[in-house]
Amino acid sequence: DSGVTQTPKHLITATGQRVTLRCSPRSGDLSVYWYQQSLDQGLQFLIQYYNGEERAKGNILERFSAQQFPDLHSELNLSSLELGDSALYFCASSTGLAQETQYFGPGTRLLVL
Amino acid sequence: QKEVEQDPGPLSVPEGAIVSLNCTYSNSAFQYFMWYRQYSRKGPELLMYTYSSGNKEDGRFTAQVDKSSKYISLFIRDSQPSDSATYLCAMGSFINAGGTSYGKLTFGQGTILTVHP
Repeated sequence: DSGVTQTPKHLITATGQRVTLRCSPRSGDLSVYWYQQSLDQGLQFLIQYYNGEERAKGNILERFSAQQFPDLHSELNLSSLELGDSALYFCASSTGLAQETQYFGPGTRLLVL
Repeated sequence: QKEVEQDPGPLSVPEGAIVSLNCTYSNSAFQYFMWYRQYSRKGPELLMYTYSSGNKEDGRFTAQVDKSSKYISLFIRDSQPSDSATYLCAMGSFINAGGTSYGKLTFGQGTILTVHP
């Protein structure tokens, strides 16, 4: 158990819908990262927050957004969902900014029908 | 060309074999190197990380980095069926841009390893 929690574990929705994925980092970690993992693209970095502020962006679509709250939990919002958004979404956390020693949560499996 | 290329596998080895997993990279700015293990339907689990060229050992696992050749490897000795998983290499660099600083981690595609009894 990494100490990172994610909810929900599974999500099934329809195209065009909007969903919110939630992540609680390990105790004491200030950085939260979101990743998307699919069979063809592998593990792709989406976005990083550090102590409430956005710090780095990767291959995140404009339809996706995230935020980190004062209690350091984070939410990833996915809107106008498409079939191709079906994937595993992971949250990870680390102590600092440099993405060293990230600890991953169990993931949310999203299926868009 | 991808920044990080990982031998795709899959690899299937008998129990007790020595396993070699490899990644090459093109970005000389990478400063730290990691290996993650991911069991089916689970999140990646950090196995090892290192900053410098050379070898780092942890039990049955040895991580090797050759910065001059832009090549990293993970060796697993005395492999066990419980080692069956997908192994991901990852590399990171610390970036200063526009008055702010952050890290960037790039993952390989992963190698599926099966160790059969």
